[in-house]
Amino acid sequence: EPEVTQTPSHQVTQMGQEVILRCVPISNHLYFYWYRQILGQKVEFLVSFYNNEISEKSEIFDDQFSVERPDGSNFTLKIRSTKLEDSAMYFCASREGRTGWNEQFFGPGTRLTVL
Amino acid sequence: GNSVTQMEGPVTLSEEAFLTINCTYTATGYPSLFWYVQYPGEGLQLLLKATKADDKGSNKGFEATYRKETTSFHLEKGSVQVSDSAVYFCALSSNTGNQFYFGTGTSLTVIP
Repeated sequence: EPEVTQTPSHQVTQMGQEVILRCVPISNHLYFYWYRQILGQKVEFLVSFYNNEISEKSEIFDDQFSVERPDGSNFTLKIRSTKLEDSAMYFCASREGRTGWNEQFFGPGTRLTVL
Repeated sequence: GNSVTQMEGPVTLSEEAFLTINCTYTATGYPSLFWYVQYPGEGLQLLLKATKADDKGSNKGFEATYRKETTSFHLEKGSVQVSDSAVYFCALSSNTGNQFYFGTGTSLTVIP
């Protein structure tokens, strides 16, 4: 069964460093998403991406964040200069999006620890 | 705005016990409601959904009914198994499914 994959599973970085979190969405899906979950808090929407551009973003998704689909398979989230409060689990999701409502499929997450 | 509030955990039950995890929501318009489950080391999986008021979603013995009058979508299962141990997330989305709003998650541990 097709699934969303994410790498790495755990990333440790120093404050101020850049990190790139990688996701491979399901191959025929058109919509891609990033969410994050700070430990003990809600899963929060960050950004949605469609047709090679951001379609929606939350207040959390400020200038420190960017997303890219560099090729036909990867979808990346970059944090330019990490802060301690960026430590969280980051989930990627994808959705077919061709007709009507359809489910978002989530990856297993990347745990980011900023020291 | 849109938000979801769900029961704090962790919840520990004995096998075959009855499970309820409460979820209430606030939303503009006519949201769809979901329960996602996350097993250890895995991603979020859709457990069940309901797209309009009074709909009942069901899957793997779990049920939840979309109650507009009480803005609730409580998850229930009559007899839990050890394999049900996981974190359960209540969520809502717009009708297009493009943006989801999640609760904090409720950790369930079922002991033999």
